[in-house]
Amino acid sequence: QVQLQESGPGLVKPSETLSLTCTVSGGSISSYYWSWIRQPPGKGLEWIGYIYYSGSTMYNPSLQSRVTMSLDMSKNQISLKLNSVTAADTAVYYCARSSWDIVFDYWGQGTLVTVSS
Amino acid sequence: QSVLTQPPSASGTPGQRVTISCSGSSSNIGSDYVYWYQQLPGTAPKLLIYKNNQRPSGVPDRFSGSKSGTSASLAISGLRSEDEADYYCAAWDASLGARLFGGGTKLTVL
Repeated sequence: QVQLQESGPGLVKPSETLSLTCTVSGGSISSYYWSWIRQPPGKGLEWIGYIYYSGSTMYNPSLQSRVTMSLDMSKNQISLKLNSVTAADTAVYYCARSSWDIVFDYWGQGTLVTVSS
Repeated sequence: QSVLTQPPSASGTPGQRVTISCSGSSSNIGSDYVYWYQQLPGTAPKLLIYKNNQRPSGVPDRFSGSKSGTSASLAISGLRSEDEADYYCAAWDASLGARLFGGGTKLTVL
């Protein structure tokens, strides 16, 4: 059974960089798209972007200037960096898997990141 | 406001059939598959319907999806208390170049 686990600091200061890692177990990151999705407290879901196992990326235009995604095949990990954060970036951040025909079939449990000084 | 429009709330009594709508445009629902996700309180979303009307293994056949033009619907029949959750539709928007989610619908089982 594929499992995804997000990890990273729960508190980030304004203007700094948010860095998260998603570790995939029970399967390979090969042949899949890996997305980051966030959910501000009490609000809806927002797609941040995806990285394909080949390394190609696509980001939400609303966040593109601040987002970088990467992957480490040897560790089965996907990473997210979001720079110049503000309080508006406070959210639960999820990683999720997609194949060519099924979008977001597996999700991590999510990790809450709070932006505050 | 989300590009994909869902009613903020819906409700029904046990055993009833309820539907949740998702309205978009030609650049998203009109040209791509629709996906539905269920988010139980305090948990991560779970895939409920893919490619408009397909159910992943393990999803009860009480859940069904449909799409017509630039709108889609999720139907839940034989409503149960454990169906109380937030439901989100999603589609790719070719104009924006982004995966969009609807604003979500909170389903209450009375």
